[in-house]
Amino acid sequence: QQPVQSPQAVILREGEDAVINCSSSKALYSVHWYRQKHGEAPVFLMILLKGGEQKGHEKISASFNEKKQQSSLYLTASQLSYSGTYFCGPQGGSEKLVFGKGTKLTVNP
Amino acid sequence: DAGVIQSPRHEVTEMGQEVTLRCKPISGHNSLFWYRQTMMRGLELLIYFNNNVPIDDSGMPEDRFSAKMPNASFSTLKIQPSEPRDSAVYFCATQLSGAYNEQFFGPGTRLTVL
Repeated sequence: QQPVQSPQAVILREGEDAVINCSSSKALYSVHWYRQKHGEAPVFLMILLKGGEQKGHEKISASFNEKKQQSSLYLTASQLSYSGTYFCGPQGGSEKLVFGKGTKLTVNP
Repeated sequence: DAGVIQSPRHEVTEMGQEVTLRCKPISGHNSLFWYRQTMMRGLELLIYFNNNVPIDDSGMPEDRFSAKMPNASFSTLKIQPSEPRDSAVYFCATQLSGAYNEQFFGPGTRLTVL
């Protein structure tokens, strides 16, 4: 039931782009995205709802394909501060989030 | 607002001892979640409450784990007796009920069971 995230890890140079994917085996109502820096708690990035509504950071964009039960997070013109582990958390209608194992993003100068 | 408050931040105990982790939610948030994070298993939901009522405890690993929310401003997660495999970071997160609302995580409690 845990969603599958890909890639597991990615290394970028500052200014490069990245896409992180999240795929679920269950029907989804919404998808949450969070970022966790080493030694810190996860921090909210985005919520995408069935029907197209979104809420979150201005500098980060994401998509949600309800039929394919997939979501993607797009990080453009990456900055050093983007480094961390990204988690997707699909929701199936209750408030319960089941997080993926995460994608570790490293942005180098 | 002070954010989600967890205590203690670090706990080192010996196998067999009782451990109690505490969480104070953000004022007004009526959903509260307990997570456990390890390298092997990632970020797992243990239990969540809505309006102080446990809604889903399917993630609680075994009877040694119990959680309570006696009022809207306090929750505890208890492990009795503790075992070395319980070593992990335990996060409490709270949310204003509703699918369009994000979860706010506390700083976590790093538990080490020797």
